[in-house]
Amino acid sequence: DAGVIQSPRHEVTEMGQEVTLRCKPISGHDYLFWYRQTMMRGLELLIYFNNNVPIDDSGMPEDRFSAKMPNASFSTLKIQPSEPRDSAVYFCASSIEGVVGELFFGEGSRLTVL
Amino acid sequence: GESVGLHLPTLSVQEGDNSIINCAYSNSASDYFIWYKQESGKGPQFIIDIRSNMDKRQGQRVTVLLNKTVKHLSLQIAATQPGDSAVYFCAEIAGYSTLTFGKGTMLLVSP
Repeated sequence: DAGVIQSPRHEVTEMGQEVTLRCKPISGHDYLFWYRQTMMRGLELLIYFNNNVPIDDSGMPEDRFSAKMPNASFSTLKIQPSEPRDSAVYFCASSIEGVVGELFFGEGSRLTVL
Repeated sequence: GESVGLHLPTLSVQEGDNSIINCAYSNSASDYFIWYKQESGKGPQFIIDIRSNMDKRQGQRVTVLLNKTVKHLSLQIAATQPGDSAVYFCAEIAGYSTLTFGKGTMLLVSP
C-alpha cells in the first residue's frame, strides 16, 4: 500500500491567495483526519471525517478554513484567503479504528504564506 | 519534559544506550495513550499504545510505562540506534474525545 498521499508537499503563496491541500487516505480506512503542526502549538487536530462525514470540526481555526471529503478516497483542506499565520505543515492521517488506535500519517504539506 | 518556547527538550544518548523519554499529562480522565515518532520531514509514526487499565506494555525494543497516580508516561528504548533519532510525541485520549498530542521530545543518538 502506498500509504496516505498528500499534495502538494510544499506550497509558497502570497497572503490573500486561496490554498488547496489534498489527501488520499489508505484504502479501506473509514476515518480521515487533518492536523496542523507548528513549533509554537505542536500538532493540532483541525477536523476529522468518518465515512466521508465531518464528525468534529471544532479545531478549524475560522471560516477561512474549510474541508471536504467528496468520496472515500479523497479529501481537501482549503484556506481562503490565506494569511501568514497559516504557515505550517498540514498533515492528513487515516485510520481504521477511529480516534482510538493507530493513525497513519502522510508526509505533510508545508505551507508558507508570504 | 516540558516544552519551552520554540525549543524542544532534547535527549542525547550514545548508540547502544537505553533511552527514556518522559511525558506528563494533565487530564486525569485520559484513558488511552500513544507514543508517536516523527523523523525529519515526515509524518508521525505510531510506536506503541497503552490503556489506562495497564501500567506497562512492551513492544520490540520499546516499553511504555504508565503511572496514573502522578499522571506520567514514559517510553523506554533499548539499545538505541542512530535510526531512532527523531522527535517523540506522547498523545492522550479521554473517553470519546480526540487525540491530544504533547509538544514532543527530540532524541539524538550519536554513533
